[in-house]
Amino acid sequence: GAVVSQHPSWVICKSGTSVKIECRSLDFQATTMFWYRQFPKQSLMLMATSNEGSKATYEQGVEKDKFLINHASLTLSTLTVTSAHPEDSSFYICSARDVTGRTEAFFGQGTRLTVV
Amino acid sequence: GENVEQHPSTLSVQEGDSAVIKCTYSDSASNYFPWYKQELGKRPQLIIDIRSNVGEKKDQRIAVTLNKTAKHFSLHITETQPEDSAVYFCAALAGYGNKLVFGAGTILRVKS
Repeated sequence: GAVVSQHPSWVICKSGTSVKIECRSLDFQATTMFWYRQFPKQSLMLMATSNEGSKATYEQGVEKDKFLINHASLTLSTLTVTSAHPEDSSFYICSARDVTGRTEAFFGQGTRLTVV
Repeated sequence: GENVEQHPSTLSVQEGDSAVIKCTYSDSASNYFPWYKQELGKRPQLIIDIRSNVGEKKDQRIAVTLNKTAKHFSLHITETQPEDSAVYFCAALAGYGNKLVFGAGTILRVKS
């Protein structure tokens, strides 16, 4: 149990285009989902926290207009990188926590974004 | 907000030896401390966790200790094997915002 599926696992896009990444909890309901960014050989940096049915909370320094987050249901959150630039190239990974309040967070498999 | 520091950044051990990774946290309200193992290009996998009402937890070759007073916690891996080679991250569940804050990671290499 407790599977989080992230799609796509990798994507290459042209500068100026937008890319949507999906994060789904497959066998549990997630009130809260977290989006992280990870540069090579570095740690996971929290970008934003999304709660079902409300606006996401962004960490300091993260542009909310560039990284659009939608958490429309208890099983799906999306991250859209708008007007992508090469510096947005990174590994993006989501995690989800279920409605029962268990503290353990489950991670998606991550999305490798390359902007050319 | 919560700040988590992790040491060392890299650790090389001989197969069969023990490995210890240490983390400190700043927010005394943090109450949950997981450890994750991440292999290259893959998702972090939870390997062990500990809550603030417990001082030590063990699962086979892996153990975690927590010192709430000093605000530090450690991961201990005994009888290391080559497949233990990976990046290990500690994290703390911040009291405010209920979010996980990660340490910088430790690259563990187990030499056979």
